[in-house]
Amino acid sequence: GAVVSQHPSWVICKSGTSVKIECRSLDFQATTMFWYRQFPKQSLMLMATSNEGSKATYEQGVEKDKFLINHASLTLSTLTVTSAHPEDSSFYICSAPRDRGYNEQFFGPGTRLTVL
Amino acid sequence: RKEVEQDPGPFNVPEGATVAFNCTYSNSASQSFFWYRQDCRKEPKLLMSVYSSGNEDGRFTAQLNRASQYISLLIRDSKLSDSATYLCVVKEGFTGFQKLVFGTGTRLLVSP
Repeated sequence: GAVVSQHPSWVICKSGTSVKIECRSLDFQATTMFWYRQFPKQSLMLMATSNEGSKATYEQGVEKDKFLINHASLTLSTLTVTSAHPEDSSFYICSAPRDRGYNEQFFGPGTRLTVL
Repeated sequence: RKEVEQDPGPFNVPEGATVAFNCTYSNSASQSFFWYRQDCRKEPKLLMSVYSSGNEDGRFTAQLNRASQYISLLIRDSKLSDSATYLCVVKEGFTGFQKLVFGTGTRLLVSP
């Protein structure tokens, strides 16, 4: 089956620093990738839709200047959390649909971010 | 009101039991429906799609009632390995602008 990888799997950083998370589709091309955030005991919340070669589409309430998304190739999207604060500590997961109907999305293993 | 609502549980059942989860969604224009499974600290994985006519995959049966905007998942003969959180997921939007909306999940604990 399709595989999506994320790097790093976990990261601990100091408040005020920036953290970059990579999402790669390993055996298929993804013109669209999605970034989610999941707080403990809560559901996945879509943050933004990453579009290859164009600007990302952000969900309401998500600061585009704080969560920078770059989708420079058909297999790689990056999410940069700028000037991270403790409230940004969360589980960040990316996903990519393999078919145009988006009927199945393959999720990366997630990145657990802890901001001290 | 949440877009996709589920009873968070947990549902504690013995091995071999039958358990049912329910889900309601608010957007009547939603197009497709899924059940995902998420293990603790792991990514969600697709369990099955949900079709209007109802569909079955082994011990798992999914039902959709568009009129009531209600989705269900039935698990028969529960196994210890079924312990996980089950996410009700709805696809919304149009081609090029689609997204998945997740429920908060229902936690299942199957005990020996």
